This record gives sequence, C-alpha cells and structure tokens, in this order.
Amino acid sequence: AQSVSQHNHHVILSEAASLELGCNYSYGGTVNLFWYVQYPGQHLQLLLKYFSGDPLVKGIKGFEAEFIKSKFSFNLRKPSVQWSDTAEYFCAVNDIGTYKYIFGTGTRLKVLA
Amino acid sequence: NAGVTQTPKFQVLKTGQSMTLQCAQDMNHEYMSWYRQDPGMGLRLIHYSVGAGITDQGEVPNGYNVSRSTTEDFPLRLLSAAPSQTSVYFCASSYSLAEQTDTQYFGPGTRLTVL
Repeated sequence: AQSVSQHNHHVILSEAASLELGCNYSYGGTVNLFWYVQYPGQHLQLLLKYFSGDPLVKGIKGFEAEFIKSKFSFNLRKPSVQWSDTAEYFCAVNDIGTYKYIFGTGTRLKVLA
Repeated sequence: NAGVTQTPKFQVLKTGQSMTLQCAQDMNHEYMSWYRQDPGMGLRLIHYSVGAGITDQGEVPNGYNVSRSTTEDFPLRLLSAAPSQTSVYFCASSYSLAEQTDTQYFGPGTRLTVL
C-alpha cells in the first residue's frame, strides 16, 4: 500500500534558523507531490507542488522542496524561518491514475521569537 | 467565490445517532473529497468523487456514506455514529482531473464528537 512518512513530528526552532522537514513516500509508479500547511485556526493551504520538470520546486513564503526520485523523497526547506511559520505541515502524494491523495502524519513546527 | 464551505462547524452526537456533514463548493470543481484528521495520523481519505454521480472509497470508508448528485455538493453521512468517529472532518475540492496536478482547496472543517 502507498504511504507517506514524515519523520519529524514536532520541530522547535528559533527565528532565522534553517528548516528541513523530511518526507518519504512508498510507491513505485508516477506520483505528484505536495506540501500543505495549516496555520493555527486556518484551512489547509498549498505551499508547493511537484508534478514534472525541475525537481527543485519553489513555493510561497520562501519555501522550497526537492524531489529526489531515487530516494522517494520530497523534503521541504526554508533557509530562515519566521515566527509566522508556526504551523502544521503535511506532505501528500497523489497517485496518478487512482485519484487518491495520501497524506503524511504531519509535522508541527513551532518557531520561537 | 465562497470557496469550500462546510456545515456545521461543531457537532456532538450520541453513539448510534446519524447525521450528515455538508460540503459545498462554488468553483465548478470536478473532484471532491472527504478526509478525517486525527492526532498523530494526519489526514486520511474517507471517500472521493470525480464528478456528479461518481464516488469511490478512500482509505477509511467504513461507517460513512457519500453521494454526489450535483457538482457543487458532496455530503458525508454517518449512519450510526461511534466514538471512533470522533475527529475533525475536512472537505476538499480541485478543478481538473486531467493531470491530477491541481491544488486541493480545503474547507474550514467540522469538529465532531461522539459520546
């Protein structure tokens, strides 16, 4: 069965620290990859997505992610976090052909001012 | 556009009661889906629909029914609520299935407690 693993469940950083959140998926076919963010009290919203082309994808608010096919990974990065990045981050995989989206368990990020 | 709307925002049920969670979108999206979010488990797909009249099961469909009679609406029915269904429920929609790359837009969620 397909699955998405997010290795860090809780991350605490100080402002200006660099961020990397891990995401690995298990599926041998063609997939689309997403990172969603849920700010406190708000809807989930898209940060970035990869479906083809350049494996380094840039999203909103200075986030980027790199798709490494050989490692089945899609890690999220940000060079310098801000207090306003405090949120829960979800990696998701969309299996092309089945219309099913599989989400990871999420990573709660807390940024200390 | 209102986007994706969900009602109610909060609901408390007793075991065995039935209810319907409403979801509507005004963006003419083909694809709609329901997820439940539980602590430490992320979002799990319950059911989804690729268009009016077409629905299919996700990861955790047991205990839930759906229908899609119109493009706009995708209600989720709990026939006989159980405490294990206590969760936050999110509805989502996306425009095109052609390449399945479209962003999903999420509703605000319904927090359901089953006693």
